[in-house]
Amino acid sequence: DADVTQTPRNRITKTGKRIMLECSQTKGHDRMYWYRQDPGLGLRLIYYSFDVKDINKGEISDGYSVSRQAQAKFSLSLESAIPNQTALYFCATSDPGLSTDTQYFGPGTRLTVL
Amino acid sequence: GNSVTQMEGPVTLSEEAFLTINCTYTATGYPSLFWYVQYPGEGLQLLLKATKADDKGSNKGFEATYRKETTSFHLEKGSVQVSDSAVYFCALVDTGRRALTFGSGTRLQVQP
Repeated sequence: DADVTQTPRNRITKTGKRIMLECSQTKGHDRMYWYRQDPGLGLRLIYYSFDVKDINKGEISDGYSVSRQAQAKFSLSLESAIPNQTALYFCATSDPGLSTDTQYFGPGTRLTVL
Repeated sequence: GNSVTQMEGPVTLSEEAFLTINCTYTATGYPSLFWYVQYPGEGLQLLLKATKADDKGSNKGFEATYRKETTSFHLEKGSVQVSDSAVYFCALVDTGRRALTFGSGTRLQVQP
């Protein structure tokens, strides 16, 4: 089984709808991240969390919120989806104890907002 | 702030050709540097990394050397295969947030 899983893998929704993307990990890592990938722009950081009580904004947090329900779960919400949030979303984890900053990515969620 | 610039693609090569994908960075201090690879329909996988100046990361025939004087981390492979076709991302780690700053990605297409 994959160490970092994301659900759903694909989602089509309409403008104004609320949507939640979920991420779960079995790696036992404290740090979790949400990134967004757009063509030609690479990946950009939306939110990150160092533990259950620690949530921080990234460069492009406007229009998004997150919830760290447990060490293993980190959810991303779009309260009112808009078309320019159409993108590929990735969750990632890392282990601060290893001091290598290597991140492990989920398979991604492709979101289309009509 | 931090930034990563990598050559635009797509890069199209014939099998067994030599590959170079250029990557330069701007950052405070000396962050760890990474190359990630994204195969079609998949998430990102770590390809190689280097944590300090003059370190060479290597994996699967790919290599990259951390060059402090030129702030570069170019990816090279001596003989590419069709299976190397993917998108390659250069990245550095933000020393405060421990989050990655990515380049825009370079698509590599290897033809038989």
